[in-house]
This record gives sequence, structure tokens and C-alpha cells, in this order.
Amino acid sequence: SQQGEEDPQALSIQEGENATMNCSYKTSINNLQWYRQNSGRGLVHLILIRSNEREKHSGRLRVTLDTSKKSSSLLITASRAADTASYFCATGFPRMDSSYKLIFGSGTRLLVRP
Amino acid sequence: SQTIHQWPATLVQPVGSPLSLECTVEGTSNPNLYWYRQAAGRGLQLLFYSVGIGQISSEVPQNLSASRPQDRQFILSSKKLLLSDSGFYLCAWSVHELKRTGGATFYNEQFFGPGTRLTVL
Repeated sequence: SQQGEEDPQALSIQEGENATMNCSYKTSINNLQWYRQNSGRGLVHLILIRSNEREKHSGRLRVTLDTSKKSSSLLITASRAADTASYFCATGFPRMDSSYKLIFGSGTRLLVRP
Repeated sequence: SQTIHQWPATLVQPVGSPLSLECTVEGTSNPNLYWYRQAAGRGLQLLFYSVGIGQISSEVPQNLSASRPQDRQFILSSKKLLLSDSGFYLCAWSVHELKRTGGATFYNEQFFGPGTRLTVL
């Protein structure tokens, strides 16, 4: 089963508005990452928040993490049409063989209308 | 700078035919490599990962196999495709060493290729 589940599954907003996407997970995490995927393309890493952090900013992105509720949110402020994409949260787990496992949620499809 | 390539970009294959998807990474050495599958409108499922040449770990039982014949080459294969093998296949790489930030937090970003859209008919 998916570790992370995003909510909503789809979001349509007007350019200039803020977009908020939520992610819930089930087990304890080491960190949580957000990725973006343009239609039919690979994923691009956006931001990482460690388990001992509560909030992090990167440009127009703001990520919060509430480990007591096992949830995270991604806020995109002043959205642009170019922000149209699917957004995924992923929980990260280091492993003994030095690999790193990411478990992805099912994503939120964001449409920003010009 | 590092780049990751996948080919082909799209593929249509009949049921029962073999499969070979290739992924190569440039600009880095000894990367960890990953194969994911993404069903339509869904998240990513990790299929295989490799921490070195010839080292393959499988995450889920399936009809597919992976190989790493060279340091920066990762191949996904099947002897006989099933309808359920259709999907979007993504290759990713990360640096081998885990990054450490304050305390005991280890993390690594993964960098994804452009993907291969496979349709099995």
C-alpha cells in the first residue's frame, strides 16, 4: 500500500491564487520530499523537509510537516500557469546497503488556469 | 553536470514479446540506480534498485528483471510481456553516499529520466 496519500487528487485554481496540497503517511519517517511531474515526463525534486523540521521555504514553495499527525502540506503561492503539473510526496528511508528508498503517494494533479 | 537518458521514449509491444529498456547516466560515477513503474494517474512503484555493477535488488515479485552490466547503465527486461506490464517506466539515480544533515538524518534526492511509455497489446 502507498505510504503517502495526497489530497486532493485534483485541484484547479486561477493564476495568482495559492495552491495547497496535503500528504498523509502511515509510519515514522526520516524525511519527506516533494516532487513535481509535468505530463508524460520524469519527476523533478522540489524540496525536502527533515523529520525534525516543521516548516521550510524555497522560492514560492512552502512545506510544513506535522509528525504528530503524520502529515505534510505543500503550498505554492501566487501560482502560474507553468505550475500546472502533478505533485507527489515521498517518504524517504535509508537502508543498510546505502540505497535510499522513496515511497511515493498517488499525487495531486494541479491545473492553474491562465 | 549529470544527465540521465532513457530509451526508447515510447514502445508498443504485443503480449508475449520480449522487452529491453535502457537507462544510462552521465557525469557521475558509482550512482545508485532505480527502476520505477507508474500506472496511469498513480504514484510510482519501485521495481528494482542497484547499488553497484551486477548488484540488483527486487522490490516486488513480477514478470520483469533488471541488470546493471556497467557502472552507469541499467536495463529493465522481460522475456514475455503481459498486458499488466503496460505503464510509464522511470529510471532514476542518486549519489551512492547518503547525505547527512544534523543528527541522524540521512537523505538522498533522486534524479529521474524522461521515462518510457510502454503499451502492451
